[in-house]
Amino acid sequence: GAVVSQHPSWVICKSGTSVKIECRSLDFQATTMFWYRQFPKQSLMLMATSNEGSKATYEQGVEKDKFLINHASLTLSTLTVTSAHPEDSSFYICSAPRGQGRTYEQYFGPGTRLTVT
Amino acid sequence: RKEVEQDPGPFNVPEGATVAFNCTYSNSASQSFFWYRQDCRKEPKLLMSVYSSGNEDGRFTAQLNRASQYISLLIRDSKLSDSATYLCVVPGGGNKLTFGTGTQLKVEL
Repeated sequence: GAVVSQHPSWVICKSGTSVKIECRSLDFQATTMFWYRQFPKQSLMLMATSNEGSKATYEQGVEKDKFLINHASLTLSTLTVTSAHPEDSSFYICSAPRGQGRTYEQYFGPGTRLTVT
Repeated sequence: RKEVEQDPGPFNVPEGATVAFNCTYSNSASQSFFWYRQDCRKEPKLLMSVYSSGNEDGRFTAQLNRASQYISLLIRDSKLSDSATYLCVVPGGGNKLTFGTGTQLKVEL
């Protein structure tokens, strides 16, 4: 099946620094990718939709200036957490959709665990 | 009503048992549904898609009740390796997915 990679797998950074997370679709092109965040014992919450060639669309309550998204190519989207704070510590997961109708599926990256100290 | 609602569990069952989870959804216009499996500290993986009344794949059966707006997942002959969190997922506009909070299953010896 389709593969989506995500790097880094985990990162520990100090409060106030910025962290960039990459999401790549390895064997297919994705004009759209999705970024989710998951806190412990909670479900995935969609943060934003990354659109190749245009601005990302953010879900209500997600600060676009804090979570910068760049869809640089048809296989790469990046999420930068700017001026990270401990409350930003979470599991960040990207996904890339493929197919339509009954063949539609979102393929998830392995996730990035961010810890801000 | 929440968009997607699940009983969080945990459900502790012995190996070999049959267990079922329910998921209710609020958008009556939803046409397709998914069950994902998520292991601890891992990404979700698609377990089953549901487009009509139901779907069956080996020990797993998903059923859809549109009138009552719920989807169920049945696991027969449960195995230790089935221990995971099962996420009910409903697609929305723009191919966005709405995830339920998940139901945790623990299969024990």
